[in-house]
Amino acid sequence: DARVTQTPRHKVTEMGQEVTMRCQPILGHNTVFWYRQTMMQGLELLAYFRNRAPLDDSGMPKDRFSAEMPDATLATLKIQPSEPRDSAVYFCASGLAQNTGELFFGEGSRLTVL
Amino acid sequence: AQSVTQPDIHITVSEGASLELRCNYSYGATPYLFWYVQSPGQGLQLLLKYFSGDTLVQGIKGFEAEFKRSQSSFNLRKPSVHWSDAAEYFCAVGGYSGGYNKLIFGAGTRLAVHP
Repeated sequence: DARVTQTPRHKVTEMGQEVTMRCQPILGHNTVFWYRQTMMQGLELLAYFRNRAPLDDSGMPKDRFSAEMPDATLATLKIQPSEPRDSAVYFCASGLAQNTGELFFGEGSRLTVL
Repeated sequence: AQSVTQPDIHITVSEGASLELRCNYSYGATPYLFWYVQSPGQGLQLLLKYFSGDTLVQGIKGFEAEFKRSQSSFNLRKPSVHWSDAAEYFCAVGGYSGGYNKLIFGAGTRLAVHP
């Protein structure tokens, strides 16, 4: 059963620490999205990759967030330094670029920054 | 610009009652429309989608949605709600924007089901 896998599922850290979230997209998918979900803002698109290339990261705070795809099976989202306002659930989703936007979501990484 | 409005933040229904969740979208061309469901602590799962053709689409778990172009709506319906349907429901519009197919989500509607 193909699925998007995210780690860690839960992370509690202190302000100023580095946080790295990882995502394994579904094998064969060529697009990867990172979303952030909060009560106040809902689902916000942070970054988008196609064929491992970052095509849109306009939703991401550039000074502290970075997203990469070292290879086709791994996408990472890094926050350095983390702040309490980064507390949220971060979702990774993958899909096929030719499939008109349908996405498959991971179960999310719940981040709490104290 | 693309946008999605879900007017109802919370809805409570009794088990066995019918359900309709509203979704309105703004998009310059023919949209691709989706409904996703999120159970507590879980990711989003696709319920159904509309790309073209028949405006009434069937999805999983007994859900259906109807695309009405004149009203810019894509409301989700279920004739008889089960307690396990309690979750948050997201409407999304997809389309080619900024060089790629992008999904824009509504704010979500949280459904509670009374026994």
